[in-house]
Amino acid sequence: DAGVIQSPRHEVTEMGQEVTLRCKPISGHNSLFWYRQTMMRGLELLIYFNNNVPIDDSGMPEDRFSAKMPNASFSTLKIQPSEPRDSAVYFCASRTGTGGWYQPQHFGDGTRLSIL
Amino acid sequence: TQLLEQSPQFLSIQEGENLTVYCNSSSVFSSLQWYRQEPGEGPVLLVTVVTGGEVKKLKRLTFQFGDARKDSSLHITAAQPGDTGLYLCAVDPSGGYNKLIFGAGTRLAVHP
Repeated sequence: DAGVIQSPRHEVTEMGQEVTLRCKPISGHNSLFWYRQTMMRGLELLIYFNNNVPIDDSGMPEDRFSAKMPNASFSTLKIQPSEPRDSAVYFCASRTGTGGWYQPQHFGDGTRLSIL
Repeated sequence: TQLLEQSPQFLSIQEGENLTVYCNSSSVFSSLQWYRQEPGEGPVLLVTVVTGGEVKKLKRLTFQFGDARKDSSLHITAAQPGDTGLYLCAVDPSGGYNKLIFGAGTRLAVHP
């Protein structure tokens, strides 16, 4: 079975440019999560969706960050304008709400973002 | 102050050695998870512990949840190079499995 698919795997861009990260969750999963991982702050939850609806965006650092989930099979995380401090690895994860009291989050392999 | 404190931060050992890593907090949790992350990949769930005092085994890995459900340990017996990676513990303070908070992790290197 295909796992969570993220694109691009690597992105290098200049400060001030718009960056769009993409995620395709596992088919049938109804929850989707965006995380950011840095050496300084570790792995942090940015936002998560249930059934395509944003539930908690308290981890989004500031208004330059936005996330959308237009349908059950696609989500984007956008940074506009980007800054060097946004450099990090961004992970997408998905989870099913069915099949028992507990189901794990499945992570993609991440997008390594470098802002010059 | 981090909600979850993991120790040690780094561990470099030889193949065949035993090791224990820790995840501590001053808060009580309904459950706690352990993940392993290999370079260039996302974290992968190893185990979820839910009962105080619970011990779970996954081949050479033994996980324990503290009696008071504030801390956990991961013990690896006869470590192998394939065990190399970043070990993360995580909790959802709300009691679910959505809003996970991760510890900073223990970075383990096992040398042949």
